[in-house]
Amino acid sequence: GNSVTQMEGPVTLSEEAFLTINCTYTATGYPSLFWYVQYPGEGLQLLLKATKADDKGSNKGFEATYRKETTSFHLEKGSVQVSDSAVYFCALSSGGSNYKLTFGKGTLLTVNP
Amino acid sequence: NAGVTQTPKFRVLKTGQSMTLLCAQDMNHEYMYWYRQDPGMGLRLIHYSVGEGTTAKGEVPDGYNVSRLKKQNFLLGLESAAPSQTSVYFCASSLQGGDTEAFFGQGTRLTVV
Repeated sequence: GNSVTQMEGPVTLSEEAFLTINCTYTATGYPSLFWYVQYPGEGLQLLLKATKADDKGSNKGFEATYRKETTSFHLEKGSVQVSDSAVYFCALSSGGSNYKLTFGKGTLLTVNP
Repeated sequence: NAGVTQTPKFRVLKTGQSMTLLCAQDMNHEYMYWYRQDPGMGLRLIHYSVGEGTTAKGEVPDGYNVSRLKKQNFLLGLESAAPSQTSVYFCASSLQGGDTEAFFGQGTRLTVV
């Protein structure tokens, strides 16, 4: 079955530091890949996505590239801000008519001023 | 623009009591989902629905029932609550399955004592 493995946190960075959160997946077929973000006290919201190999998703300075050869979708940001403090979830949805998202366990990011 | 609304936001139940969590979406989405979020476990799918009048089991359906009598509403029921059901419950909806974005409610924090 499908599964997502992401680096365990928590991750603590200083403002303007470089961020990488690793995510690898196991899936049949050609999944779509997502990063969702959960700010304190809120539900999840989509941060970015990529639907095929070598696609790069980007939003709010965050980027992730769909790497089929390494089955990875690592999240990066060049300069984090305090407001980026949140829990980040990697997720996948298998192609075709699949209607479920499979989530990783989440990575808590704390950015200090 | 309400999006996905969950009620209630907080609830404390005694073991053996029953309750219903309500999820309402105003985006005319076909697909709706119930997840539970537990520390270190990420999000796990309880039940989902691909359209009005349909429901299906997810990863962890035991102890829960659902109904989708109207397209905009998805109800999650606990017939006899157990302490193991203490969790944060999230409802989500999406226009369709596959690689479409899922929109989440703000969650219901349920404690069973």
